[in-house]
Amino acid sequence: EAGVVQSPRYKIIEKKQPVAFWCNPISGHNTLYWYLQNLGQGPELLIRYENEEAVDDSQLPKDRFSAERLKGVDSTLKIQPAELGDSAVYLCASSAGETQYFGPGTRLLVL
Amino acid sequence: GNSVTQMEGPVTLSEEAFLTINCTYTATGYPSLFWYVQYPGEGLQLLLKATKADDKGSNKGFEATYRKETTSFHLEKGSVQVSDSAVYFCALPSSGSARQLTFGSGTQLTVLP
Repeated sequence: EAGVVQSPRYKIIEKKQPVAFWCNPISGHNTLYWYLQNLGQGPELLIRYENEEAVDDSQLPKDRFSAERLKGVDSTLKIQPAELGDSAVYLCASSAGETQYFGPGTRLLVL
Repeated sequence: GNSVTQMEGPVTLSEEAFLTINCTYTATGYPSLFWYVQYPGEGLQLLLKATKADDKGSNKGFEATYRKETTSFHLEKGSVQVSDSAVYFCALPSSGSARQLTFGSGTQLTVLP
């Protein structure tokens, strides 16, 4: 069974530039999560989808972050414009029940 | 909401040493408890879980027992290997919904040969 796929694995951009991350969850998993992981810390939830509906986006900075999950499968997380403080690892996870399965993450560096 | 407090690291051990990483939680009711592991450059992987009080989760030689009396879920391994070097996260559902997890800050483990 294929795991959660994320791309790109690494991204370096200059501040004020836009950036997008893509996630393909495990087949059949209706729930999809985007997490932010700062260095030396645990993941923090940004947004959770149940199928194509965002059911918890209270931690998503909506002035610059946006996300979508068209057709309830793949998802894209976008930052526009990026700031220096956005440098972190962005993790995608999916689940069909209680256990979440994580992708390898996208490591973002904003210069 | 629920929360978890995890032993701060880093932890450095010699191969074959005994490992304990402490985790205590605050929760409404008795939610499932999880340990995730993150190897360098990778995402988090579920290591083990326990779904009710007194349950013991185990995997790859690691164990953790859900203790409601002490609100703890400490991770243990009797003999660590170099390949166990990673960051370990304790986690539990953020609230009544099991769909959202709250993670501890992680404990970096380094095992020396």
